[in-house]
This record gives sequence, C-alpha cells and structure tokens, in this order.
Amino acid sequence: AQTVTQSQPEMSVQEAETVTLSCTYDTSENNYYLFWYKQPPSRQMILVIRQEAYKQQNATENRFSVNFQKAAKSFSLKISDSQLGDTAMYFCAFMKYLWGGNKLVFGAGTILRVKS
Amino acid sequence: DTGVSQNPRHKITKRGQNVTFRCDPISEHNRLYWYRQTLGQGPEFLTYFQNEAQLEKSRLLSDRFSAERPKGSFSTLEIQRTEQGDSAMYLCASSWGVASGGATAKNIQYFGAGTRLSVL
Repeated sequence: AQTVTQSQPEMSVQEAETVTLSCTYDTSENNYYLFWYKQPPSRQMILVIRQEAYKQQNATENRFSVNFQKAAKSFSLKISDSQLGDTAMYFCAFMKYLWGGNKLVFGAGTILRVKS
Repeated sequence: DTGVSQNPRHKITKRGQNVTFRCDPISEHNRLYWYRQTLGQGPEFLTYFQNEAQLEKSRLLSDRFSAERPKGSFSTLEIQRTEQGDSAMYLCASSWGVASGGATAKNIQYFGAGTRLSVL
C-alpha cells in the first residue's frame, strides 16, 4: 500500500522569506502523480501544485515549486517570498489509481505559520 | 460555478443517532469522492462514485456508513448509530475523468469545505 510521510508537523517562516516543506512516499508503482494541497484554517482544501512522475522537470506555479526526486521518493515544496496568506496546513498527496478513477493518499500534514 | 458545496457545515449529535450529510459537486464533474479527516491527520479515502455507480469503498466504511449518488448528481453520506469515534471532518471532492485514468487536468480533485461532525 502507498504511504505518504510528512516529517515536519509544524514550520514557521518570516514574511518574504523562503521555506521548504518535506514529503516522502512509498510506492511500487512507476507511473503516479503527486500533489501539494493547502488547507487554510476553517476553509476548504485547494490544490497548490502537482507533479507527474514520468516528468523529470520539477513543477512550478508562481511562488511555489517542487523538488521531485523519484529515486529517493521525495517530493518537497518550496514557497518563495512567503506571504501571510500562505499560513495554512499543507498536505502532500499521492494519487493512487482506481478502476475508472483516482484515489488520493495524504500525509499527516505540516502546519505552516508565516510571521510578519 | 460555485465549487463543491457541502451541507451542513457543522453537525452535533448524540451517540446512537443517525446523521446524513450532503455534497453537491461541481456540475460537470462525473466523479465524486468522500474522505474523512480527524484532528491533526490528513484526509483518508472512504468511497468513490463515477456517475451514480459506487466503485470502491474503503475498509474504514463500516456497515453503519452508507453513501449514495442518485442520478449521478449530488451525494449523501449517512452514518447510522453514531459513535464518538465517528467525530471527524467529512470532506467531499469531485473531478472529471475518463475510464483510462491518469491525472490530466480534468482528473484533479476539487474539495468542499467539509462537514464537521461532533458526536457527544
């Protein structure tokens, strides 16, 4: 079974600085997808960035980028120029294939606090 | 498009009572997922629908839990004889996808704000 591990329960960063959130996963599959979702306090979860395992190039979305190391099964999220609105719980997720669908397997999350 | 809508947002019930939650997916999405999230943990998969067909259920979904998606539109999740261990956030997500799978842009799951259940 696939597992996702986020080893940092909490992180904090000063506004405008850069922070990296760690994620490792375990799978025997070769083709899969990885995601980072953001869950602000009392608000719904939104997709931050995604990575397709067969692509070697790391995904980027504005201030968010990933460092995908397939052999090491590592998928870290870097947030540049941190903003107060980045304060949230961040979940790393692995996409498991179901027949006709896709199931997400989540890590336990990392609480990120951006300080002014 | 108003996104995925879940009702109620909060539900407080006494142990042994039945509760029902509703999820309205994004209108053009054919897939609907239910997840459960306990405090300090990531969401865990419960069940999944493609159109009106329930295609997989997790072992977490005991026989006290039942989910439906009549006509492939909204979905309901019912918990019978609630227990204190059922207290959690219940999340619904929807996506558009084809049988060949894959995580194209259309397979990304969009989440609702969740229903927080407290069983006293």
